[in-house]
Amino acid sequence: AQSVTQLGSHVSVSEGALVLLRCNYSSSVPPYLFWYVQYPNQGLQLLLKYTTGATLVKGINGFEAEFKKSETSFHLTKPSAHMSDAAEYFCAVNNAGNMLTFGGGTRLMVKP
Amino acid sequence: EADIYQTPRYLVIGTGKKITLECSQTMGHDKMYWYQQDPGMELHLIHYSYGVNSTEKGDLSSESTVSRIRTEHFPLTLESARPSHTSQYLCASRGQGPNTEAFFGQGTRLTVV
Repeated sequence: AQSVTQLGSHVSVSEGALVLLRCNYSSSVPPYLFWYVQYPNQGLQLLLKYTTGATLVKGINGFEAEFKKSETSFHLTKPSAHMSDAAEYFCAVNNAGNMLTFGGGTRLMVKP
Repeated sequence: EADIYQTPRYLVIGTGKKITLECSQTMGHDKMYWYQQDPGMELHLIHYSYGVNSTEKGDLSSESTVSRIRTEHFPLTLESARPSHTSQYLCASRGQGPNTEAFFGQGTRLTVV
């Protein structure tokens, strides 16, 4: 079964600094990968997804992620963090039966 | 526009009470899911449905039950609430195909006192 691992349950950056949230997947077939964001007391919102084609995927709020098959990674980046980016981020992979399997989440904290 | 609704958003209830958390979607999705999530923690799948009259238990054992009588509606019921049921419950739906994303409701934060 496909799975995802998010390295770092907490990441802290300064406002204006690069954001890098790590996600590694395991899959025996070409994966479909997703990044979601969750603000406090809210549901999850899709940031971006990789299906096929271009390996660099652009999403909402200035985020992007690059699918690297050789590294089995799908890391999320943003060049310059804003205070409003503070949230919980989840990586997910499509699994058997069209189920989404989520990673454990990474809490992003942005310092002024 | 994609819409999935959960009610209530917040609920405080006494031990032993029966409660139903509502979830409705207007996208015509066959697949619907319930997740349980403690604050700042990972999501645990507790129930899912592939369509009308289809319900399955998820990875995390739960004392709740679900029903799927209509495509758009997927309520979750706790027959007798306990403090251990205190958590956030998230409902989601998803269209056909492995490349489609899931859409989430805003969640119900349940507190059992």
